[in-house]
Amino acid sequence: AQSVTQLGSHVSVSEGALVLLRCNYSSSVPPYLFWYVQYPNQGLQLLLKYTTGATLVKGINGFEAEFKKSETSFHLTKPSAHMSDAAEYFCAVLFPYGGSQGNLIFGKGTKLSVKP
Amino acid sequence: ETGVTQTPRHLVMGMTNKKSLKCEQHLGHNAMYWYKQSAKKPLELMFVYSLEERVENNSVPSRFSPECPNSSHLFLHLHTLQPEDSALYLCASSQGLEDRSFYGYTFGSGTRLTVV
Repeated sequence: AQSVTQLGSHVSVSEGALVLLRCNYSSSVPPYLFWYVQYPNQGLQLLLKYTTGATLVKGINGFEAEFKKSETSFHLTKPSAHMSDAAEYFCAVLFPYGGSQGNLIFGKGTKLSVKP
Repeated sequence: ETGVTQTPRHLVMGMTNKKSLKCEQHLGHNAMYWYKQSAKKPLELMFVYSLEERVENNSVPSRFSPECPNSSHLFLHLHTLQPEDSALYLCASSQGLEDRSFYGYTFGSGTRLTVV
């Protein structure tokens, strides 16, 4: 079955430290990949996406992610965390073919805390 | 403001009440979606509408009834809900079912529903 897994429901980093949020997908066909961020009492905001082309994609707020087909991963990184990055982050995949055609499938989310 | 507006932001209703959630977008999108976000569970796709026609219903109980009168508006009518239906209900839109792979979804801020 097609699925997406986010490792770690909670991640805590110090301000200025590297942020690494992990996402792996399960599929024989490479999907399109997305990262969304959700601030408290808000909807989801698109951070970045990979569809085709360059495997390292840059998004808003200094985040970037790299698609690694061999590892079926799309981990999200940011070199230096800010307090304002504290939020919940969702990895999502979209399979252009098959039974879930065109529908976003979300991971369970990772809550990022940033310590002063 | 993300371009997708949901009202009300918060709703408390009894199990015998009838209420409606409203979603509105003026982004020129042709597809709209309802998602349910419960604590500790992945976002669940409930309904998909394309050009005002329902194209997907993911085994949602009949106590949830969607309506899409035009491409800019989407409603979720609620009746005889259960406490386990308490959740954040998110509306999203995309340019079209064919385009969503590349452009992703735009989400509203959600309606926080509490069933008592």
